[in-house]
Amino acid sequence: NAGVTQTPKFRILKIGQSMTLQCTQDMNHNYMYWYRQDPGMGLKLIYYSVGAGITDKGEVPNGYNVSRSTTEDFPLRLELAAPSQTSVYFCASSYLGDSSTPAYEQYFGPGTRLTVT
Amino acid sequence: AQSVTQLGSHVSVSEGALVLLRCNYSSSVPPYLFWYVQYPNQGLQLLLKYTSAATLVKGINGFEAEFKKSETSFHLTKPSAHMSDAAEYFCAVSSYNQGGKLIFGQGTELSVKP
Repeated sequence: NAGVTQTPKFRILKIGQSMTLQCTQDMNHNYMYWYRQDPGMGLKLIYYSVGAGITDKGEVPNGYNVSRSTTEDFPLRLELAAPSQTSVYFCASSYLGDSSTPAYEQYFGPGTRLTVT
Repeated sequence: AQSVTQLGSHVSVSEGALVLLRCNYSSSVPPYLFWYVQYPNQGLQLLLKYTSAATLVKGINGFEAEFKKSETSFHLTKPSAHMSDAAEYFCAVSSYNQGGKLIFGQGTELSVKP
């Protein structure tokens, strides 16, 4: 099992450019998440998905879009990049079964470090 | 709404000393609580979790945490620090009605002095 993989590892964007951060998991998890991590701020949820075709906003969704066409993939799209989007982005996944066997722990990818200049 | 507060953004201990990282939570329903560790330039790795079973939870690398409902706390401890414990530690909270979403604290950076 590779777990959660993210590409690219690093990227520098110019203001106004767009890009897609890729995330794939091979654990057959139904839930997937995108976070951004800024120094001293912990992790903030951008978007999440409870299954293929279903996505919802998290705490800081502005400037981002997501889609989930398969169980394995959950790409994050940045349109019109801004300096405020300079951050480290983490994708995570988890499996939520029924209430008698909750999992809830999330498995994280290695992150993508994005700089917008 | 749920929230997590980690007391101290930076903690420094000597090698062999006790490690104590503090986490307090706020939740109107029974919480699920987690500690994650992040080594430099890496993703987060689960250390341990509390999901309403035993209140004293043992995790990897000799860490443990105790859920204290009366104090709304879930502090992380390790009896003897090792140089390899230097990392950033995050406390997080969720619950059965949050759809698996985690709320993270701000993180505590642990330094270990030789």
